[in-house]
Amino acid sequence: AQTVTQSQPEMSVQEAETVTLSCTYDTSENNYYLFWYKQPPSRQMILVIRQEAYKQQNATENRFSVNFQKAAKSFSLKISDSQLGDTAMYFCAFGFIQGAQKLVFGQGTRLTINP
Amino acid sequence: GAVVSQHPSWVICKSGTSVKIECRSLDFQATTMFWYRQFPKQSLMLMATSNEGSKATYEQGVEKDKFLINHASLTLSTLTVTSAHPEDSSFYICSAEDRGNQPQHFGDGTRLSIL
Repeated sequence: AQTVTQSQPEMSVQEAETVTLSCTYDTSENNYYLFWYKQPPSRQMILVIRQEAYKQQNATENRFSVNFQKAAKSFSLKISDSQLGDTAMYFCAFGFIQGAQKLVFGQGTRLTINP
Repeated sequence: GAVVSQHPSWVICKSGTSVKIECRSLDFQATTMFWYRQFPKQSLMLMATSNEGSKATYEQGVEKDKFLINHASLTLSTLTVTSAHPEDSSFYICSAEDRGNQPQHFGDGTRLSIL
């Protein structure tokens, strides 16, 4: 079975700082997806970034980037130049390559950006 | 981009009534949709996988007769909470894959309050 662990329940940084959210996972699959979703107070689930396990290059989306270490089964999210609008719950999730299968979510990290 | 519409966004009803929640894929066909439940400050918990034209697959511990799922078309899945009680109060959120491809796209969720 797949598991996803986020060891930081809460984090808080000042606006414009850089913050890194940790995520580790366990799977016996060789190929898969990893995602970071953001859930602001409105409770929408917003896809921040995704990584395909067979791609060695770390994914980047503007201020958001990941550090994907496949051997260590680690998938951290770095937010650069943090903004007040980044305040949200962040969930790391594992996804199967083959469709029609569920996402496995971590427990979440509550990130607060302070002015 | 792919849009999933969920309705209603908030419902309050008396104990003992049944409540139907709709999940629609607006601009793509979804052979598979997923229903999640989220308690306050917790992660998303998969309740069931909804398959178009066939029975839903429920996760262990989820009561099939309490949470009825119907996926009658490629764009619509419904979750009916039957004979709802206060303990069923929660945030319910659906997601769908576009033709079985990741990532999953989420609806905005339904806040259910049973008095």
